[in-house]
Amino acid sequence: QLQLQESGPGLVKPSETLSLTCTVSGGSISSSSYYWGWIRQPPGKGLEWIGSIYYSGSTYYNPSLKSRVTISVDTSKNQFSLKLSSVTAADTAVYYCARAPRNIAVADYWGQGTLVTVSS
Amino acid sequence: DIQMTQSPSTLSASVGDRVTITCRASQSISSWLAWYQQKPGKAPKLLIYKASSLESGVPSRFSGSGSGTEFTLTISSLQPDDFATYYCQQYNSFTWTFGQGTKVEIK
Repeated sequence: QLQLQESGPGLVKPSETLSLTCTVSGGSISSSSYYWGWIRQPPGKGLEWIGSIYYSGSTYYNPSLKSRVTISVDTSKNQFSLKLSSVTAADTAVYYCARAPRNIAVADYWGQGTLVTVSS
Repeated sequence: DIQMTQSPSTLSASVGDRVTITCRASQSISSWLAWYQQKPGKAPKLLIYKASSLESGVPSRFSGSGSGTEFTLTISSLQPDDFATYYCQQYNSFTWTFGQGTKVEIK
């Protein structure tokens, strides 16, 4: 059974860089059939797509976050990562990683999510 | 950027009711539309993809329809487990956008 698990600091200071890693188990991140993505949800609010990456390293970002986001993949560790720079309180959210089949462009498997709070 | 508008934002209904949620795209997205269900403290769960295809394991009381710019999610007979928030999501040119969500509450 495929599992995704987010990890990283739960507290980040304003202006610093948020860094999260998603570890994939039960399946290979190198499969040509899937993209891997990050989605976030501020407390009490809706979902926001951050970006996606293919195992080859091709990336696709939300235009509203593009200048601050970097998503990378480490196929040797079966992991992909998110970096969000210059964070503010508005970046406080539950961050989810997810798998997206290429042929249907949806998130069919999700991690449990991790809350990241931006505060000094 | 493509914007997604869901309606209503909140819906009060009783067990057994037929429920319909609408999602409108700011431009045509063909059938690249998905629906998710989310319960408090949990990750969203995929219900419908490509506008009308039911994800494996999802009860048949859930159905989706539409194409172009207007889409609907229908729950044919609302069950206690269905009280949750529902989101639509579009895909276009490698980017995604979610609707703002529809909370289905107990009447």
